[in-house]
Amino acid sequence: QVQLQESGPGLVKPSETLSLTCTVSGGSVSRYYWSWIRQPPGKGLEWIGYIYYSGSTNYNPSLKSRVTISVDTSKNQFSLKLSSVTAADTAVYYCATVGSDSSRWGWFDPWGQGTLVTVSS
Amino acid sequence: QSALTQPPSVSGSPGQSVTISCTGTSSDVGSYNRVSWYQQPPGTAPKLMIYEVSNRPSGVPDRFSGSKSGNTASLTISGLQTEDEADYYCSLYTTSSTWVFGGGTKLTVL
Repeated sequence: QVQLQESGPGLVKPSETLSLTCTVSGGSVSRYYWSWIRQPPGKGLEWIGYIYYSGSTNYNPSLKSRVTISVDTSKNQFSLKLSSVTAADTAVYYCATVGSDSSRWGWFDPWGQGTLVTVSS
Repeated sequence: QSALTQPPSVSGSPGQSVTISCTGTSSDVGSYNRVSWYQQPPGTAPKLMIYEVSNRPSGVPDRFSGSKSGNTASLTISGLQTEDEADYYCSLYTTSSTWVFGGGTKLTVL
């Protein structure tokens, strides 16, 4: 049973880079696709991007210029970097596994518990 | 990116059934089955309830069901229980290999 845990600073200054890590337990990061999703306080979910262990990525077009997702197979982790942050980037950030079976894929299961990142000076 | 439209809120009494809609276009929801649904009680992470329009993961009660008609996918909860009170989100995996979420629907169990 795969479990995910986000970690990283809870406070980031405007214009700096937000950095978060998702640690995978109960499974190998080399097996699935992995995603980051965020949720501003009181608002809905926004997909940020995904990565495969080979390094293949795809990002939300609205965030693409500021986002980098990477994977570290030696640590069984994947990471998110979001540059030039503003107050609008304040959100709970979730990591999630992209679900699949023999012939289908495209859902998120499981999710990490989420971590709140506040952008403020 | 395409947008998915959900009603902001729905409500029902214990034991009743409610349906939450998720409307896209003929180019996305109408053409593909990669729609999933998530339940998010207050202060918790989302949980997968339905994938590929109508498939239920193990452990999800059969009171939860999904369907699609035309450009609209739907989540139906029958035999409402107080613990079903939560926000519900639909999601679509697009042809651009990206995902988009609906705006979310708050379910109130009266």
